[in-house]
Amino acid sequence: EPEVTQTPSHQVTQMGQEVILRCVPISNHLYFYWYRQILGQKVEFLVSFYNNEISEKSEIFDDQFSVERPDGSNFTLKIRSTKLEDSAMYFCASSATNRVYEQYFGPGTRLTVT
Amino acid sequence: QKEVEQDPGPLSVPEGAIVSLNCTYSNSAFQYFMWYRQYSRKGPELLMYTYSSGNKEDGRFTAQVDKSSKYISLFIRDSQPSDSATYLCAMTPTQGGSEKLVFGKGTKLTVNP
Repeated sequence: EPEVTQTPSHQVTQMGQEVILRCVPISNHLYFYWYRQILGQKVEFLVSFYNNEISEKSEIFDDQFSVERPDGSNFTLKIRSTKLEDSAMYFCASSATNRVYEQYFGPGTRLTVT
Repeated sequence: QKEVEQDPGPLSVPEGAIVSLNCTYSNSAFQYFMWYRQYSRKGPELLMYTYSSGNKEDGRFTAQVDKSSKYISLFIRDSQPSDSATYLCAMTPTQGGSEKLVFGKGTKLTVNP
């Protein structure tokens, strides 16, 4: 069964450093998403991406964040200058174009900012 | 009022019990309602989705949506220890509108052998 994969599973970084989280969405999906979950809190939407551009973004997704599809398989989230409050689980998800409500999530990357 | 509310539990039941999990919401634009299962420190796993009001059954799982009350439920019959997880409700507006899923906080379920 196809699945979303994410690397790394755990990333530790120092405050102010840049991090790139990587995702490989399900191969025939064209909508891609990033969500985050701070420990003990809700899963929160960050951004959706379609046709090589951002389709929708939340208030959380400020200028420190960017997304990119650098090739035909990967989808990345970059945080330019990490803050302590960026520590969270980051989930990538993907969906088919005509079923955007049916989003499949990856296992997540746990980001720890020290 | 929060957009999606879900009792975080925890909920502890004996094996074989019927489990009822619920969410309420305030945004009448929501049309698609999903249930995800999340094991500790893992990604949410899509269990099932329902469009608009009504029931949907998949094996031991039944999802119900009552749009008039803005209330959704997930029932698990013959619960098993392997059902122990956090259950998240999520919802989104009509296809063609916003793509973002709005999640509840999740209900932690433990099924005791």
